[in-house]
Amino acid sequence: SYVLAQPPSVSVSPGKTARITCEGDSIGIKRVHWYQQRPGQAPVVVVYDDTDRPSGIPERFSGSNSGNTATLTIGRVEAGDEADYYCQVWDSYSDPYWVFGGGTKLTVL
Amino acid sequence: EIQLVESGGGLVQPGGSLRLSCAASGFSFSTFEMTWVRQAPGKGLEWVSYISSGGSVVYYADSVQGRFTISRDNAKNSLYLQMNSLRAEDTAVYYCARDWNGSGTYYMDYWGQGTLVTVSS
Repeated sequence: SYVLAQPPSVSVSPGKTARITCEGDSIGIKRVHWYQQRPGQAPVVVVYDDTDRPSGIPERFSGSNSGNTATLTIGRVEAGDEADYYCQVWDSYSDPYWVFGGGTKLTVL
Repeated sequence: EIQLVESGGGLVQPGGSLRLSCAASGFSFSTFEMTWVRQAPGKGLEWVSYISSGGSVVYYADSVQGRFTISRDNAKNSLYLQMNSLRAEDTAVYYCARDWNGSGTYYMDYWGQGTLVTVSS
């Protein structure tokens, strides 16, 4: 099965830039989606198809994907960005098709 | 407004059964593929099952294959997950989510608030 590896935690000061990585074998040829999950809440997609943002998601959230690493970048981090972030891919050659990374806890210092 | 509302969770003994429901509103339910995702306490997200818009195609994670059955009633705008032979490791919050397939890949664009299933004696 396809495996996505995320760092368990990332810390950042308010106003700075946070980068959360998602590593997978040749992930650059897949489309990566990112979810934010605040404590006690359901996940919300913040970036889909590597770089696209749903309506209502601030421009501070951006994504990139190349080689073996996809990255979610959060600019000008705010206290409200503190949450767990998950990457996800869909791979028709994998089993299961829907794969999530283990999640990264973003802490705003 | 798009809404997904899960129900049916609760406490069940190992080996028992439970049926989860997800009521959808605010969109044309019959035209969308749907998914169940679960999250064990303090753990990450795990995809559980998928069903096509018409209900003819279903997929399951290996961990639930043969024990769980996904279904839908498009006339009632409802999604279901029948869970049998439940184990302690099935304890989790279960989310229903709408699958979006717009570019040859799937992601979940709307999620319910989840329903907690606890398997314990």
